[in-house]
Amino acid sequence: DGGITQSPKYLFRKEGQNVTLSCEQNLNHDAMYWYRQDPGQGLRLIYYSQIVNDFQKGDIAEGYSVSREKKESFPLTVTSAQKNPTAFYLCASDRGWLEGSHGYTFGSGTRLTVV
Amino acid sequence: AQSVSQHNHHVILSEAASLELGCNYSYGGTVNLFWYVQYPGQHLQLLLKYFSGDPLVKGIKGFEAEFIKSKFSFNLRKPSVQWSDTAEYFCAVGRAAAGNKLTFGGGTRVLVKP
Repeated sequence: DGGITQSPKYLFRKEGQNVTLSCEQNLNHDAMYWYRQDPGQGLRLIYYSQIVNDFQKGDIAEGYSVSREKKESFPLTVTSAQKNPTAFYLCASDRGWLEGSHGYTFGSGTRLTVV
Repeated sequence: AQSVSQHNHHVILSEAASLELGCNYSYGGTVNLFWYVQYPGQHLQLLLKYFSGDPLVKGIKGFEAEFIKSKFSFNLRKPSVQWSDTAEYFCAVGRAAAGNKLTFGGGTRVLVKP
């Protein structure tokens, strides 16, 4: 079955440590996105990538970094510079602007807790 | 700032009641509109979408939404809810000119009492 796999489901880290969240898709989608979900704030866009080897900052990119070396993979690193990293992180993909979007497919998310 | 607003943060209703969730956006120009649902413990799923054409859109599980361009609104409705509709609902707006990035509303938690 095609879909998006996020791992791990739960992640605990000490303050000051960088941590990388994995996102893999086998949908052959060009575009991939990272959102952060906080209660009452909906989903806020961190980074997105429309094509391999290219990515753009979203609305709340500070303290985060990404890479897009392969079409299938879009890992997100939460750095120690992120002031409030504890959150639920969602990865999504779609066909991209060239083909036209039919709506995102979401992964099941990673809940990051920084202690 | 461009934004997407969902008017109600929490809605509680009984089974068989009608549901309407409001969504307004502040973008000008052509937009694509979506409603997503997140059932407890599950990932976000697409309920319905509007790109063009008939402004009344039907989605899965008996949901529908109406695009009113003059009001910048895309309200979600269901005539008769079930306990299984308990979930969080998110409105999202995308613009092709912005590379299909979606901006989400804050979400509405719906609790349907059996």
